[in-house]
Amino acid sequence: QKEVEQNSGPLSVPEGAIASLNCTYSDRGSQSFFWYRQYSGKSPELIMSIYSNGDKEDGRFTAQLNKASQYVSLLIRDSQPSDSATYLCAANLFSGAGSYQLTFGKGTKLSVIP
Amino acid sequence: ETGVTQSPTHLIKTRGQQVTLRCSSQSGHNTVSWYQQALGQGPQFIFQYYREEENGRGNFPPRFSGLQFPNYSSELNVNALELDDSALYLCASSLGRGNYEQYFGPGTRLTVT
Repeated sequence: QKEVEQNSGPLSVPEGAIASLNCTYSDRGSQSFFWYRQYSGKSPELIMSIYSNGDKEDGRFTAQLNKASQYVSLLIRDSQPSDSATYLCAANLFSGAGSYQLTFGKGTKLSVIP
Repeated sequence: ETGVTQSPTHLIKTRGQQVTLRCSSQSGHNTVSWYQQALGQGPQFIFQYYREEENGRGNFPPRFSGLQFPNYSSELNVNALELDDSALYLCASSLGRGNYEQYFGPGTRLTVT
């Protein structure tokens, strides 16, 4: 069973702090990783993708990947109340015949307190 | 650039009925994937369509079926609806069937009573 695990939270941080979201995955064949933000009642919105070990920064967001530890994280600097949402971690796994399958964690609910 | 669109937004059906959900892919994208998201869960992969053919399937029964049309739009059909089919159905499009980013539409909320 290919799994992506996330702490469901809720994770509460004060406004302006750094929010740290973590994710582990079970299948070493996973080739790329994505973070989606999902506001209540809305669909997931892609905010970060990461394909190789190390850090990737985009504005206030930094994604970190460690394939040896099968660990992915998302840091949100200078957290704002508008960042309050559920953050979904997803792993893309080659499943044969040119097909890739995206497997999601259950999501971590983040609450940024003004 | 037009994003992913889905219709209808909401739908209420009775157990045993059949339903068809529709999705238009983002401009330039030829691959569509469908997901089911139950309340409090992450999206679960149903299947993917690439160039009008099914290109991968998750752990869903055959009563979940789909189509992709030459313009890359897609349909998800569910027969013999069950109460557990109540969920948010999400369509995502991507540049291809390879290791690409997937972009989601707004979803269809299906309620089965």
